[in-house]
Amino acid sequence: EAGVAQSPRYKIIEKRQSVAFWCNPISGHATLYWYQQILGQGPKLLIQFQNNGVVDDSQLPKDRFSAERLKGVDSTLKIQPAKLEDSAVYLCASSLGGESTYNEQFFGPGTRLTVL
Amino acid sequence: AQSVTQLGSHVSVSEGALVLLRCNYSSSVPPYLFWYVQYPNQGLQLLLKYTSAATLVKGINGFEAEFKKSETSFHLTKPSAHMSDAAEYFCAVTLSNDYKLSFGAGTTVTVRA
Repeated sequence: EAGVAQSPRYKIIEKRQSVAFWCNPISGHATLYWYQQILGQGPKLLIQFQNNGVVDDSQLPKDRFSAERLKGVDSTLKIQPAKLEDSAVYLCASSLGGESTYNEQFFGPGTRLTVL
Repeated sequence: AQSVTQLGSHVSVSEGALVLLRCNYSSSVPPYLFWYVQYPNQGLQLLLKYTSAATLVKGINGFEAEFKKSETSFHLTKPSAHMSDAAEYFCAVTLSNDYKLSFGAGTTVTVRA
């Protein structure tokens, strides 16, 4: 079974530029998550999708971050314009979903963003 | 809101020695607790989880953890460290009714030959 795929793996941009990250979850997983992992910290949830609808985006800085999950499969996370403090690893995860039981989250390898 | 605290950002052990990583949680309702491992330039991999069944949980790669409600702890142990255990380890908590993970800051393990 293929895992969660993310691209690019690394990205270096100047501040005020824009950047986009792509995630392809495990086939059949209804729930998709984007996390931000700043160096020395644990991952922090940015946004959670159930199929193509947003379940939780309370931690997403909506003035500069946006995310979409068209057709309930692939997802894109965008930052525009980027700030120095956005330098982090962006992790995508997916799970089967469902509300009646805990479903394990499977993580992709992440995209390491450096903002100069 | 739930949270976890990992005591010690860095642990160094000798190969063959006991590995002990500490995690304390804060939760107003019965939690689910997890340990994840992250190798360099990779995503997180689930080591083990506690979901209100047995309090002693066995995971992959010889790791285990014990849920102690009285101490609000979920410490991770491995009797004998191997060089391949060098990685970053994260404790995480979620409530049984929302399944949103909250992670600790992580503990980096180095293994000395």
